Amino acid sequence: QPLLTQSPSASASLGASVKLTCTLSSGHSSYAIAWHQQQPEKGPRYLMKVNSDGSHSKGDGIPGRFSVSSSGAERYLTISSLQSEDEADYYCQTWGTGIRVFGGGTKLTVL
Amino acid sequence: EVQLVESGGGLVQPGGSLRLSCAASGFTFSNYEMNWVRQAPGKGLEWVSYISSSGSTIYDADSVKGRFTISRDNAKNSLYLQMNSLRAEDTAVYYCAREAYDGGPFDYWGQGTLVTVSS
Repeated sequence: QPLLTQSPSASASLGASVKLTCTLSSGHSSYAIAWHQQQPEKGPRYLMKVNSDGSHSKGDGIPGRFSVSSSGAERYLTISSLQSEDEADYYCQTWGTGIRVFGGGTKLTVL
Repeated sequence: EVQLVESGGGLVQPGGSLRLSCAASGFTFSNYEMNWVRQAPGKGLEWVSYISSSGSTIYDADSVKGRFTISRDNAKNSLYLQMNSLRAEDTAVYYCAREAYDGGPFDYWGQGTLVTVSS
């Protein structure tokens, strides 16, 4: 079954861009993943899905500042024009028959 | 507007039982696969259980297999999680989450309900 690896933390300045990475385990590089945002003291919110070929779809109401891409076993979430409300935990998620999996999450600090 | 509202959380002693509910609205509940996800205090998200749209297929994480049972009542637009033999490590906020119509990502989440297992 697939495993997902994320860096525990990231930081970037207000107004800048940041790229978060989610890495699929060996043998699972064809899997699609989803990105979820969890602001402090709130439930998660679905952002986007990205396939292995980079094709993607967005959740309802997600601003254009959020984009995704893919390369090999890595899936990326890029946030442009960082705002204070982007300070949150970001989780990647994947799925297969009989299993749903989350990465450990990346805590994003907006400086 | 899609809404998922969990209820039923609370304080329970180790070895006890609790039943969580998730009331769904704003979409045709019977068309969608559903899940429970939990988050222990200060920790990340952990998938718990999955149920198909008809209820005929269920998957559970190894950590809850044999103790938790997911179910649904499509006539009542409701999802449930029966939790038995609760342990301290089951303490978490429990979220219900809808899977996208074409399968895969969890595209809507509830606000969560807190379960605390302690004597």
